[in-house]
Amino acid sequence: GENVEQHPSTLSVQEGDSAVIKCTYSDSASNYFPWYKQELGKRPQLIIDIRSNVGEKKDQRIAVTLNKTAKHFSLHITETQPEDSAVYFCAAILATGANSKLTFGKGITLSVRP
Amino acid sequence: NAGVTQTPKFQVLKTGQSMTLQCAQDMNHNSMYWYRQDPGMGLRLIYYSASEGTTDKGEVPNGYNVSRLNKREFSLRLESAAPSQTSVYFCASIFGSGNTIYFGEGSWLTVV
Repeated sequence: GENVEQHPSTLSVQEGDSAVIKCTYSDSASNYFPWYKQELGKRPQLIIDIRSNVGEKKDQRIAVTLNKTAKHFSLHITETQPEDSAVYFCAAILATGANSKLTFGKGITLSVRP
Repeated sequence: NAGVTQTPKFQVLKTGQSMTLQCAQDMNHNSMYWYRQDPGMGLRLIYYSASEGTTDKGEVPNGYNVSRLNKREFSLRLESAAPSQTSVYFCASIFGSGNTIYFGEGSWLTVV
């Protein structure tokens, strides 16, 4: 099955700086890569995703890049704000239409220092 | 449209007691999932149901049972609760692979 690893496990940045969170995956057949944000005491929610037919996707201050050759994808947050402090989870999914078990990385805790 | 609803939100159990966590979704999703979340361990999959009438084990199924009652509902049962099952439990659903995963608000379970 798919194995997803996230690096680093914790990240602390100064407000206004950029943050980059990386995920590596094992199954080269995976073709859908979502990122979920979980604020303290809340449920995880989708913030951005990318499919394997594109290399980069942006949405305001966040972006995701995908390197299929190296089997890794990264979340980029620019101009970080205190409300970006959260746990971020990635997943690598084979989107075939048929459903299978969904596994996530262990999560990265981002702290933005005011 | 309530999304994914799970109950109860908080529960304290004594070791050996049983309980069922309920989950329902109103988005006509095909697949439903139960995860547990512990500090530093991320979201670990307990059981999932790819479609109505099917259930499969995830990474950490021991000590749990599930029932996909119908397309809307997917329950998680602890037959004999243990302190190691103290955790936050999340139910999730998805229409199809490659679509957004929707999570419930979580259930905080403490076993003493």
